[in-house]
Amino acid sequence: EIVLTQSPGTLSLSPGERATLSCRASQSVSSSDLAWYQQKPGQAPRLLIYGASSRATGISDRFSGSGSGTDFTLTISRLEPEDFAVYYCQQYDSSPSCSFGQGTKLEIK
Amino acid sequence: QVQLQQSGPGLVKPSQTLSLTCVISGDSVSSNSAAWNWIRQSPSRGLEWLGRTYYRSKWYNDYAVSVKSRVTITPDTSKNQFSLQLNSVTPEDTAVYFCARHTKAATGARMVDYWGQGTLVTVSS
Repeated sequence: EIVLTQSPGTLSLSPGERATLSCRASQSVSSSDLAWYQQKPGQAPRLLIYGASSRATGISDRFSGSGSGTDFTLTISRLEPEDFAVYYCQQYDSSPSCSFGQGTKLEIK
Repeated sequence: QVQLQQSGPGLVKPSQTLSLTCVISGDSVSSNSAAWNWIRQSPSRGLEWLGRTYYRSKWYNDYAVSVKSRVTITPDTSKNQFSLQLNSVTPEDTAVYFCARHTKAATGARMVDYWGQGTLVTVSS
């Protein structure tokens, strides 16, 4: 079973700053099978990035994904107030199942 | 625009069966390019995939090892919906349950692109 570990657990930043979130896999993951989601309180997760680096429909270009193998990164270039939320990475390599990281909470400093 | 609308009870007694339904609009449960999933979320277990149903000339189901002996996901083509049944529940099954659509991009990249609104199910007597 592939385990995804996200860091940091909590990231405290101010609007306008750049956020860098990490997702590390316990073994190599195909880039096609790595996605990122944003979740706000009381809501379902929302797809941001798929295939490690492709933005989902309607997602701002402030969001970008990168990485390969075991190390993946979500970058938010200039934080807006609506970006403060919890972010999850997800992998499909252990098909048919998928697994999620434990999440990074992005909070306002 | 795909929409998933969940329904079902928010309180289930221990040892009983948890049942939830997800009505699909904007797509078909019989789609040859989608899979229909149930995912739950709790503070102790995080986001946990439970299983899926999908149609590729015939119906298939896959289930998570952790719940395989207790879970059934069933499509209903007449109502364009799919359902979750989880038997013999315990307080550890208390969670927010989501239905969700899995699909694949032209590049082959896989993703969960649409989610239901979530249903908090509490297992308690």
